[in-house]
Amino acid sequence: QAHLQESGPGLVKPSETLSLTCTVSGGPINDHYWNWIRQPPGQGLEWIGYISSSGGTDSSPSLRSRVTISIDTSRNQFFLHLRSVTAADTATYFCARSVDTTLPDWGPGVLVTVAS
Amino acid sequence: QSALTQPASVSGSPGQSITISCTGTSSDVGGYTSVSWYQQISGKEPKLLIYEVTTRAPEISDRFSGSKSGNSASLTISGLKAEDEADYYCSSFTDRATLIFGGGTKLTVL
Repeated sequence: QAHLQESGPGLVKPSETLSLTCTVSGGPINDHYWNWIRQPPGQGLEWIGYISSSGGTDSSPSLRSRVTISIDTSRNQFFLHLRSVTAADTATYFCARSVDTTLPDWGPGVLVTVAS
Repeated sequence: QSALTQPASVSGSPGQSITISCTGTSSDVGGYTSVSWYQQISGKEPKLLIYEVTTRAPEISDRFSGSKSGNSASLTISGLKAEDEADYYCSSFTDRATLIFGGGTKLTVL
């Protein structure tokens, strides 16, 4: 079982880039797929995208133009960059490990607020 | 791509059974055996309950079961307990090679 922990700024200004890090422990980051999911306050879950340990990546069509997901296997970390944020991007952001198409391991989440 | 459709809320008394539906299309739920169910308590990280439609995750009680028919999947919780009160989400793989979640269902144990 992998342990995941999100980190990053809790406040981002509109039009700027939201940048988060997920640190993985309890095993190597290799040979797995790693995901970002978000949840606006009081709303449901939204899948943002994934990255493989080899760097292959894909994301939700609705966010694809603004999202970059990257990975640093030497540091057991992967990253989310979301550009041109607005208040609608205010959410708790979770990172998670996927096995096939399911998500057995999640981080506790980090709340990111977009406001000036 | 719209979220999978779940009822906003369901309720039941302790000991009863409830079923939560998750409706999609042939491009997601209906096209794959890749439906998962998650439990989220008080805004904490979601916990995997069921994957591949019917398989319980490790250490998940057999009171939780999953099924699918056509474009709809279901989660059944039998022998309801107060501790089951939570939000429940389904997810599915899609023909765009992405994941999609349901809108979530709030379970109230009366």
